[in-house]
Amino acid sequence: GAVVSQHPSRVICKSGTSVKIECRSLDFQATTMFWYRQFPKQSLMLMATSNEGSKATYEQGVEKDKFLINHASLTLSTLTVTSAHPEDSSFYICSASLQGAAYEQYFGPGTRLTVT
Amino acid sequence: AQKITQTQPGMFVQEKEAVTLDCTYDTSDPSYGLFWYKQPSSGEMIFLIYQGSYDQQNATEGRYSLNFQKARKSANLVISASQLGDSAMYFCAMSRHGNNRLAFGKGNQVVVIP
Repeated sequence: GAVVSQHPSRVICKSGTSVKIECRSLDFQATTMFWYRQFPKQSLMLMATSNEGSKATYEQGVEKDKFLINHASLTLSTLTVTSAHPEDSSFYICSASLQGAAYEQYFGPGTRLTVT
Repeated sequence: AQKITQTQPGMFVQEKEAVTLDCTYDTSDPSYGLFWYKQPSSGEMIFLIYQGSYDQQNATEGRYSLNFQKARKSANLVISASQLGDSAMYFCAMSRHGNNRLAFGKGNQVVVIP
């Protein structure tokens, strides 16, 4: 089946620094990748839709200058949390969908970000 | 806008029994998809089942079945013959047809007890 990986799985950073999270589709080409954020004991909230070779589409209320998304190839999307603050501490999950697929969406294992 | 509602409190289920997880939704889109995902404590999202809004029959995948009642806008998940490994959070989600952006409900916590 389709496999999506994320790196790192856990990261701790100091307030004010930037953190990059990678999302890779390992055995398929993903024209679209999605980034979600999940606070403890809450649901997943879609942050942005990332399309290969074009600018990401951000959901309402998500700061595009704070959460930089790059989808440079059909197998890699990156999310950079710039000038991280403790309130950015969360579980970040990516997903990827295959080109032409009706609804299949495959999730990565998630990245736990802690900002101190 | 799409809205997914899951209001059940945490549930304890006896092993080998069936459990029904409620999900209601609200949308003005004529065509949409409904999903259920399982999230164990490790955090990964595991796809369980999908129902298209125009599908005539209720979806089934092994021990999972989706009780789709379009007029009532409900898409309840039924897990038959519960196993200890079914203990997890379960999320209902929906998307517009042709658009894979998912809107998730708040989730249901299920604990299967031996």
